[in-house]
Amino acid sequence: AQSVTQLDSHVSVSEGTPVLLRCNYSSSYSPSLFWYVQHPNKGLQLLLKYTSAATLVKGINGFEAEFKKSETSFHLTKPSAHMSDAAEYFCVVSDGGWGKLQFGAGTQVVVTP
Amino acid sequence: DGGITQSPKYLFRKEGQNVTLSCEQNLNHDAMYWYRQDPGQGLRLIYYSQIVNDFQKGDIAEGYSVSREKKESFPLTVTSAQKNPTAFYLCAISSGRQNTEAFFGQGTRLTVV
Repeated sequence: AQSVTQLDSHVSVSEGTPVLLRCNYSSSYSPSLFWYVQHPNKGLQLLLKYTSAATLVKGINGFEAEFKKSETSFHLTKPSAHMSDAAEYFCVVSDGGWGKLQFGAGTQVVVTP
Repeated sequence: DGGITQSPKYLFRKEGQNVTLSCEQNLNHDAMYWYRQDPGQGLRLIYYSQIVNDFQKGDIAEGYSVSREKKESFPLTVTSAQKNPTAFYLCAISSGRQNTEAFFGQGTRLTVV
């Protein structure tokens, strides 16, 4: 069985400061992991994905994530937050089966000027 | 987005009525999915389809039905048996290959009045 836990339901940061969104997972297999972003009343956009290549994954808009198997974590970071980063972020795990994407509950990011 | 079209964007339904949500894609992807999104719960899988004329139940299929008569189309019907249908519904597609990401439509917000 697979599951995803996003450790923070809300994160508030000041513009220009680092962002850290935490994600832990459990999976019976070697998982693929994804981070998606969702702006209000919109669909989900893929930020980045890990599929057993490099453990440090770079994505769009300056985001990156590090896969740590020993810690079963896949935390998302950005060195400097921008106002446009205000959105909800989802950590997602797949262990390979059709339709078998497991979503975390989401982290709402607020960016203050 | 990017070849996935969900319609309508907003939908209102009276209690006891069935309603059908549309999802069309022009990216020639094999797999299509329907998710339901409620605040604080992430996304939950309703149905998915790997191939034309075949589909499988997801985690919360009760009160929903789907069809996959064409590769491009995967409509979702919310029936009167669905006890709490007010939610944001997201359609997604993927190539279906193992551990590949999904691409999402812009969603339909259904409200029961």
